Amino acid sequence: ETGVTQSPTHLIKTRGQQVTLRCSSQSGHNTVSWYQQALGQGPQFIFQYYREEENGRGNFPPRFSGLQFPNYSSELNVNALELDDSALYLCASSLMGDRSSTFGSGTRLTVV
Amino acid sequence: LAKTTQPISMDSYEGQEVNITCSHNNIATNDYITWYQQFPSQGPRFIIQGYKTKVTNEVASLFIPADRKSSTLSLPRVSLSDTAVYYCLVGDIGTGAGSYQLTFGKGTKLSVIP
Repeated sequence: ETGVTQSPTHLIKTRGQQVTLRCSSQSGHNTVSWYQQALGQGPQFIFQYYREEENGRGNFPPRFSGLQFPNYSSELNVNALELDDSALYLCASSLMGDRSSTFGSGTRLTVV
Repeated sequence: LAKTTQPISMDSYEGQEVNITCSHNNIATNDYITWYQQFPSQGPRFIIQGYKTKVTNEVASLFIPADRKSSTLSLPRVSLSDTAVYYCLVGDIGTGAGSYQLTFGKGTKLSVIP
């Protein structure tokens, strides 16, 4: 059974650019969520996808968007990057009905 | 989602039992209590979950009193590798669409000392 894999592991972007982060869900999981974790803080919920549709959203602006594909993999897109977007971005997958999530190791995004 | 309060940090010597208490006064009837562990530059890892009384697995125990307004994560005989941040989460998780929003606080930073 494979876990959640994210790519890339590290990324440096310039303010104003766009970025796409990728996530492969754990085998058998049909729900994926994305979290942003700033240094020294707990993860903050961005949004969740189930059956390829956004299924819940946290307090993040529309420039944060996502996709879920038929194979349950997912992308997080962030447009017009700001310095405060620098963080660890975590993907978590779940099986609808289960009560725990499996997290990937994250993508460390640095905006300069 | 119920708000949780837990100590910011704790220190413990190797081999000791560590108990981390979490307060959740506004817990709802359908809410479960879940604990995650996170090492630096890694994603959180599910440790244990419970609804009431006591739950035990191979890594930890979770004690929940009858009023469910608090819970205690117990780690038996910690080692250096247990140094991590531990998060207590409370919510009606996993019962349907839109139910996977995990609300993390700042967690408890546990430092295990040799």
